[in-house]
Amino acid sequence: NAGVTQTPKFQVLKTGQSMTLQCAQDMNHEYMSWYRQDPGMGLRLIHYSVGAGITDQGEVPNGYNVSRSTTEDFPLRLLSAAPSQTSVYFCASKGGNSGNTIYFGEGSWLTVV
Amino acid sequence: AQSVAQPEDQVNVAEGNPLTVKCTYSVSGNPYLFWYVQYPNRGLQFLLKYITGDNLVKGSYGFEAEFNKSQTSFHLKKPSALVSDSALYFCAVRDRNTGGFKTIFGAGTRLFVKA
Repeated sequence: NAGVTQTPKFQVLKTGQSMTLQCAQDMNHEYMSWYRQDPGMGLRLIHYSVGAGITDQGEVPNGYNVSRSTTEDFPLRLLSAAPSQTSVYFCASKGGNSGNTIYFGEGSWLTVV
Repeated sequence: AQSVAQPEDQVNVAEGNPLTVKCTYSVSGNPYLFWYVQYPNRGLQFLLKYITGDNLVKGSYGFEAEFNKSQTSFHLKKPSALVSDSALYFCAVRDRNTGGFKTIFGAGTRLFVKA
């Protein structure tokens, strides 16, 4: 069981470039989300999805787009990368019951120069 | 509004001694509470959670946490620390009335266990 898989693991972008972080889960989870982790700030929610075709904004959505065309996949798009988006990004998923545990991917380290 | 506070950036303990990592929370309703651990260059791994019932929750790797409603706390504990417990620990809270991904994470506490 692969769980939550993110690619790429590491990426360096130039300011203004665009890219997509891929995320896939094989647990048939309804809920998927993207967090960014910055020193001293914990994890902040960027976008989330409660099912295929449904997405919503989290705490820090600006500069990012998402889509959920299938249950398994939840890509995160950086439209025009900025140095402030240098961070570690985590994809996560959760089953339908509200008390269920969130499962995280291994992370994607992004540097914008 | 939900919030989580981990008042210590870092906790240092000697191997074999008990450890405590503190967490306090604020939610409008009744909480779900979680602890996660993160090792270097890895994702967060689930340790334990409080949903309902017994206030003392036991989790992975010998960790436990006690839900204290009056003090709005959910401190993580282990009776005897190991060097391999050194990692970054996150407390998280979810108001059970909001469901989904309205989960708030603390800033994290780095645990150092010295041999």
